[in-house]
Amino acid sequence: DAKTTQPNSMESNEEEPVHLPCNHSTISGTDYIHWYRQLPSQGPEYVIHGLTSNVNNRMASLAIAEDRKSSTLILHRATLRDAAVYYCIPLIYNQGGKLIFGQGTELSVKP
Amino acid sequence: DAMVIQNPRYQVTQFGKPVTLSCSQTLNHNVMYWYQQKSSQAPKLLFHYYDKDFNNEADTPDNFQSRRPNTSFCFLDIRSPGLGDAAMYLCATSRSSDRNYEQYFGPGTRLTVT
Repeated sequence: DAKTTQPNSMESNEEEPVHLPCNHSTISGTDYIHWYRQLPSQGPEYVIHGLTSNVNNRMASLAIAEDRKSSTLILHRATLRDAAVYYCIPLIYNQGGKLIFGQGTELSVKP
Repeated sequence: DAMVIQNPRYQVTQFGKPVTLSCSQTLNHNVMYWYQQKSSQAPKLLFHYYDKDFNNEADTPDNFQSRRPNTSFCFLDIRSPGLGDAAMYLCATSRSSDRNYEQYFGPGTRLTVT
C-alpha cells in the first residue's frame, strides 16, 4: 500500500486560503488520490479526489504534482466549520475501494 | 435524510460479553466497510463486503466477525470484547460502479467495555 506523509497540524485564519500538502511518493500509476476530512465527533466525509489533473468542486481544489508524488488540498476561504482532520489517501481501485488512513493533518481555524 | 445509519450510537458491554453493532444504508450501495477508530487515532479498516464477498484485513483479530444478510444491512460482531476493543466503530458504503468509490460514513457507534 502506498504510504503518505502529511503535517501533523496546521493553523489558518478564517477567510484565508489554506494549502494542505501530502506526499505519496510510492503511489502507483492507477491509484486515485482521495481526500477525506473528519470533523470532531463525526464520521469522515469525502472532500475530493483526482488522478492526474487538477480538480475543483464546491468544497475544495486539488492540485496534483506532475510526477504524482505529491498533492495539495486547497480550501479557498477557510471557515470555522473547516476545522477538522484532513486525510490524504491513495485509493486502491482493484481492492474494493478500501481506504487506508494515515495520520492526517489536524487543521485549526482561528476567527 | 440519513443515508448510513448506525445503531446504537453508544453501546456499553461487559468484558467478554458478545456484542453486535448494526449498520443500515438507504443508498443501495454494493460495498460496505467497517472501520475501528480508537481515541486520537485514524480509522482502521477491519473488513469490507464487496457485494456478498467478504474481505478481511490481514491484521483484523479473529474476535471480530461480520454478517451481511442483504444489501442494506451489515453487522459487526465482537465475540469476546476486551478492554482494548473500546473504540468508535464506523460503517461506510460505496458503489463500485462509481470509479471514485466515494465512501459515505455513518455517525459511528462508540463502544465502551467495562
